Amino acid sequence: DVKVTQSSRYLVKRTGEKVFLECVQDMDHENMFWYRQDPGLGLRLIYFSYDVKMKEKGDIPEGYSVSREKKERFSLILESASTNQTSMYLCASSLGSVGNANYGYTFGSGTRLTVV
Amino acid sequence: GQSLEQPSEVTAVEGAIVQINCTYQTSGFYGLSWYQQHDGGAPTFLSYNALDGLEETGRFSSFLSRSDSYGYLLLQELQMKDSASYFCAVRRGNRKLIWGLGTSLAVNP
Repeated sequence: DVKVTQSSRYLVKRTGEKVFLECVQDMDHENMFWYRQDPGLGLRLIYFSYDVKMKEKGDIPEGYSVSREKKERFSLILESASTNQTSMYLCASSLGSVGNANYGYTFGSGTRLTVV
Repeated sequence: GQSLEQPSEVTAVEGAIVQINCTYQTSGFYGLSWYQQHDGGAPTFLSYNALDGLEETGRFSSFLSRSDSYGYLLLQELQMKDSASYFCAVRRGNRKLIWGLGTSLAVNP
């Protein structure tokens, strides 16, 4: 069974801490994504990566950075955690798309981060 | 701007049929996807329409009209386990999706 695995299900961190969220996929997917999900705001894209060492900003990149040193691993870094970064963080991966062919996203189970 | 609109909540009874609509306004369009998310769970991929028409997968069907910038997800023979949030998402290019805010479906006995 194909999988996207996020390292932690629940995480509590203090304001100002540097936080690392890890995501690993075993499907050899080119694309990987980090989203945050908040009630009433849906899924908001933070960063995505379409190849090793390649990254692009999503809609809300401020306060975050990412790292993709290997194809299967995509890390989200909160440089200095703040209370407004308390959220559910979802990692996803997908194959690259060609024309109209679709490759759906596979999501990890999510990390619920609380910053106190 | 770019936006997807879907109802925030829908309620139905077991055994019934429910339709969740999605209208979109985006620059660039490759296809419309639907995802299901149970409370506390991750979104899971349900369907994808690139061309006009109806795609059927078991109890779920998805429809697209590109000329109307409109699609819907049809759920038949509703079961309690179908209670979840349903998201439509537009694929604009090779990689990124634009997401709707989700429709919370409650299936009552």
